[in-house]
Amino acid sequence: SQQGEEDPQALSIQEGENATMNCSYKTSINNLQWYRQNSGRGLVHLILIRSNEREKHSGRLRVTLDTSKKSSSLLITASRAADTASYFCATRGNEKLTFGTGTRLTIIP
Amino acid sequence: GAVVSQHPSRVICKSGTSVKIECRSLDFQATTMFWYRQFPKKSLMLMATSNEGSKATYEQGVEKDKFLINHASLTLSTLTVTSAHPEDSSFYICSAKSLAGWDTDTQYFGPGTRLTVL
Repeated sequence: SQQGEEDPQALSIQEGENATMNCSYKTSINNLQWYRQNSGRGLVHLILIRSNEREKHSGRLRVTLDTSKKSSSLLITASRAADTASYFCATRGNEKLTFGTGTRLTIIP
Repeated sequence: GAVVSQHPSRVICKSGTSVKIECRSLDFQATTMFWYRQFPKKSLMLMATSNEGSKATYEQGVEKDKFLINHASLTLSTLTVTSAHPEDSSFYICSAKSLAGWDTDTQYFGPGTRLTVL
């Protein structure tokens, strides 16, 4: 079954704006990870946040985690055309990494 | 570091033939490799977990006789789609976890293999 549901399914913004994507999950987790996938390509690991962390930054990325609400958000600041891709959250409970449905982000130059 | 390769990147085959996809961790040893399947504009669905030297663990609904997985070494896992049919056409992605020590929570993904069965 699908662990993560992402919202929105698709997002189009102007270059330079910030993009926010949300992920909700159902069961307890050890950590939550965000990945990017360019069309027809493999996944690139962006950032990992552990269950005892609430916020994490990496460059233009900011991830938050609210375990009480079983949700996470990914913020990309100052978006660039190269950020156009699909973004997936993935939760790890035991050994398995379970992916969300993904958000298709389009940056309009 | 942490590069995972897949070969081939794209394969087209006739219905009824078997196709082998290789997944290699190039600069690290992987105790565990994972095989995923992705349909167009959909999420990744875990098919099986492969541990070096032991039998793969398949997810519910995945036919183990259809999708043969071999993890013969700490750097190589193979997925063989046997007697492929058009409904097996998909994007297959592998990933690998490192042996121990650094960053054991992160999985590194291969670039994927596009399989088209005619």
